[in-house]
Amino acid sequence: NAGVTQTPKFRVLKTGQSMTLLCAQDMNHEYMYWYRQDPGMGLRLIHYSVGEGTTAKGEVPDGYNVSRLKKQNFLLGLESAAPSQTSVYFCASSYARTGELFFGEGSRLTVL
Amino acid sequence: DQQVKQNSPSLSVQEGRISILNCDYTNSMFDYFLWYKKYPAEGPTFLISISSIKDKNEDGRFTVFLNKSAKHLSLHIVPSQPGDSAVYFCAADGSSNTGKLIFGQGTTLQVKP
Repeated sequence: NAGVTQTPKFRVLKTGQSMTLLCAQDMNHEYMYWYRQDPGMGLRLIHYSVGEGTTAKGEVPDGYNVSRLKKQNFLLGLESAAPSQTSVYFCASSYARTGELFFGEGSRLTVL
Repeated sequence: DQQVKQNSPSLSVQEGRISILNCDYTNSMFDYFLWYKKYPAEGPTFLISISSIKDKNEDGRFTVFLNKSAKHLSLHIVPSQPGDSAVYFCAADGSSNTGKLIFGQGTTLQVKP
């Protein structure tokens, strides 16, 4: 049972480059989320989705775009990476609107 | 402004003793609170939760207490074990019925054998 899988696990980018983080879940969850974790800041919500074809902004959405074309996948895109986007990114999914989120292992992104 | 705060970055306790992790929040509209545990190089995992209609929830060695008047919650681990050493995040449901969680900064717990 894979749960929530994130790819890639590590990536180094140069300023201005673009990339996409992929999140896949096999639990048939409706809700999916992208968080970023920075030292001393906890986890902050970037974007989320309440179902296939839907997306919404979270607390820190600037510089990111997302898509949820398939229920099991949630993609996070950086169109023009900036050093401020150096972080660890976590994808999560949930069945219910409140309650337990299932997290992936994280993707560490460094922007030089 | 941080709506959920964990003011202690770290805590060290002896194996077998009680660990108490604290969390404060500012928004009285929060109605659901959760604790997550995170090991290095892994994603957070759900530990325990509490609804605002309760003041205590217990699950084995873990108990969460909620004091709504003080806007404060705490996680008690009794007895503490070395395997409990991890980062603990408290979280609040920031927008009713969306599952959008607002996390605290985390507290690193070290349980010494």
